[in-house]
Amino acid sequence: DAGVIQSPRHEVTEMGQEVTLRCKPISGHNSLFWYRQTMMRGLELLIYFNNNVPIDDSGMPEDRFSAKMPNASFSTLKIQPSEPRDSAVYFCASSFGPGTYEQYFGPGTRLTVT
Amino acid sequence: LAKTTQPISMDSYEGQEVNITCSHNNIATNDYITWYQQFPSQGPRFIIQGYKTKVTNEVASLFIPADRKSSTLSLPRVSLSDTAVYYCLVGSSGNTGKLIFGQGTTLQVKP
Repeated sequence: DAGVIQSPRHEVTEMGQEVTLRCKPISGHNSLFWYRQTMMRGLELLIYFNNNVPIDDSGMPEDRFSAKMPNASFSTLKIQPSEPRDSAVYFCASSFGPGTYEQYFGPGTRLTVT
Repeated sequence: LAKTTQPISMDSYEGQEVNITCSHNNIATNDYITWYQQFPSQGPRFIIQGYKTKVTNEVASLFIPADRKSSTLSLPRVSLSDTAVYYCLVGSSGNTGKLIFGQGTTLQVKP
């Protein structure tokens, strides 16, 4: 298996633009997680899905952020409009289930908003 | 969710055994203890998980005392490539279970 696939790997955009991050989880995994990592705040869980259904989105910072999982093999995290403080590395992870199941992380998308 | 406390940083030398202790005083009955490792510019990677006593795999050992209020990750004979951030997490399974990453312990292995 290729592991969790994220695209793009790097994204540079201007403030106010829409940004869409993409994730393909490992086949057979039922849970998908979106994290954000910055030096100041560390690794934060934004939202997670179980069987394509959003279970907990309490970590989503504000309405500018939205996430979807239309099917078991694809998820998106969208930021509209983007702001400089959104600059971070965004990780997608998948697992067989939530909680204690081993999570497999993708390589991350480094987002820079200028 | 049980809060975890671990040292911010540790230094070691190649070939030494490294023990990283994590405190989780409010751990719940159905919580497991999980450790992840993160190298620079990569996502975290699962190392080991346990509920009580001792768990060992090809990478590390995890020691959990009877009261489960703390745990110790043991890395035998570390090498330079073990330089990374190590996260201790406590959480349960179930549909609403989630893991919260704390600040982690930055381990620096020196030659």
